[in-house]
Amino acid sequence: TQLLEQSPQFLSIQEGENLTVYCNSSSVFSSLQWYRQEPGEGPVLLVTVVTGGEVKKLKRLTFQFGDARKDSSLHITAAQPGDTGLYLCAGARTGANNLFFGTGTRLTVIP
Amino acid sequence: NAGVMQNPRHLVRRRGQEARLRCSPMKGHSHVYWYRQLPEEGLKFMVYLQKENIIDESGMPKERFSAEFPKEGPSILRIQQVVRGDSAAYFCASSPRPSGGNTIYFGEGSWLTVV
Repeated sequence: TQLLEQSPQFLSIQEGENLTVYCNSSSVFSSLQWYRQEPGEGPVLLVTVVTGGEVKKLKRLTFQFGDARKDSSLHITAAQPGDTGLYLCAGARTGANNLFFGTGTRLTVIP
Repeated sequence: NAGVMQNPRHLVRRRGQEARLRCSPMKGHSHVYWYRQLPEEGLKFMVYLQKENIIDESGMPKERFSAEFPKEGPSILRIQQVVRGDSAAYFCASSPRPSGGNTIYFGEGSWLTVV
């Protein structure tokens, strides 16, 4: 059973378009992180959100943590080919020793 | 400031051989985590270690897999008698404190191919 479900699983868009990736769960998380992973490399941390309703912006990327801390979204404005990669959300739960990773969203931005 | 270092980056083993993957955490980090990523899948937790102790191995297969984090030297993930299904990317991560609510930092991974 997957604790965190991401949607869509695959996304292919044209350069300049906007997109949103969702990370959903029925469980509550103490914090949630977003990573980007490129082929042949490890996940690179983009952001950590810890407060319900929190919104963080990183240039053209906007991250939101749901009010109930069960879900999160990543919105990219004016996507660029350099945004291509696998986007992973990962949640931390109180008392748990590990991060629970989502199923991943593979984004391709076409020039 | 060196990040999490993993080696080898790529490893090819024949069925039945042993694979040893090494991980040196970031400086000052005493908590190490191993994750496995199968092709086109997300990361699955395997084991969490502190120096000389296995804290949580709930994600480790019951047989053939073991992990250690000695007082001196890197953490080692050992896979005995490898099978084709062990082919995957193995990622190590480290943190200065337990990961619950805290950031962990990943290495670049070790890609194991079993032929």
